[in-house]
Amino acid sequence: QVQLVQSGAELKEPGASMKVSCKASGYTFTHFAMHWVRQAPGQRLEWMGWIIGGNGNTKYSQKFQGRVTISRDTSASTAYMFLRSLTFEDTAVYYCARDVGLPGSPLDYWGQGTLVTVSS
Amino acid sequence: QSVLTQPPSASGTPGQRVTISCSGSMSNIGSNTVTWYQQLPGTAPKLLIYTTNQRPSGVPDRFSGSKSGTSASLAISGLQSEDEAEYYCATWDDSLNGIVVFGGGTKLTVL
Repeated sequence: QVQLVQSGAELKEPGASMKVSCKASGYTFTHFAMHWVRQAPGQRLEWMGWIIGGNGNTKYSQKFQGRVTISRDTSASTAYMFLRSLTFEDTAVYYCARDVGLPGSPLDYWGQGTLVTVSS
Repeated sequence: QSVLTQPPSASGTPGQRVTISCSGSMSNIGSNTVTWYQQLPGTAPKLLIYTTNQRPSGVPDRFSGSKSGTSASLAISGLQSEDEAEYYCATWDDSLNGIVVFGGGTKLTVL
């Protein structure tokens, strides 16, 4: 069965960087894309970007452009989301989610979420 | 501020039919199919409706989706207590060379 297992919760100081991993199993990693979506406490879902598993092409939300990098390791079937220059507003649960890599495709499987707390 | 507009809350009694709206523009809902996600408290979102009106395996046929122009709707018939959750609409937006946009979410309360 398809599973997306994310790395554990993190506590970061303002100005630091974070990296969350998302290990996929149960399907061929390179046949799908992986998105990253975050949710601040009590807030809506916010799309950050995606990476195509096969060719590694990425696209980012303008809001995070220049501050986020999404990468993947196909040998490990793992996607990564790196966010730098953290502020208190980056405190959120970060999710990875899979889709088939075509515009309009739904995010059909989601990771369990990784809570990142930015605090001094 | 969300690109897609949803009412912040909705409610109904068990057995009732409830609809949740999602309003967008020509560059998003008007040009693309709509997806709906259900998020129970403390859990990851779950795919509920895709390609505007299709249900994944395992989703009851009480849930249905539709779209007209630049607006979409999620309908839940035969409301049950376990339907109490946050519901998000989503689609792609062509105005920024293709990005995913979410609605602000609608908290459904079963009275």
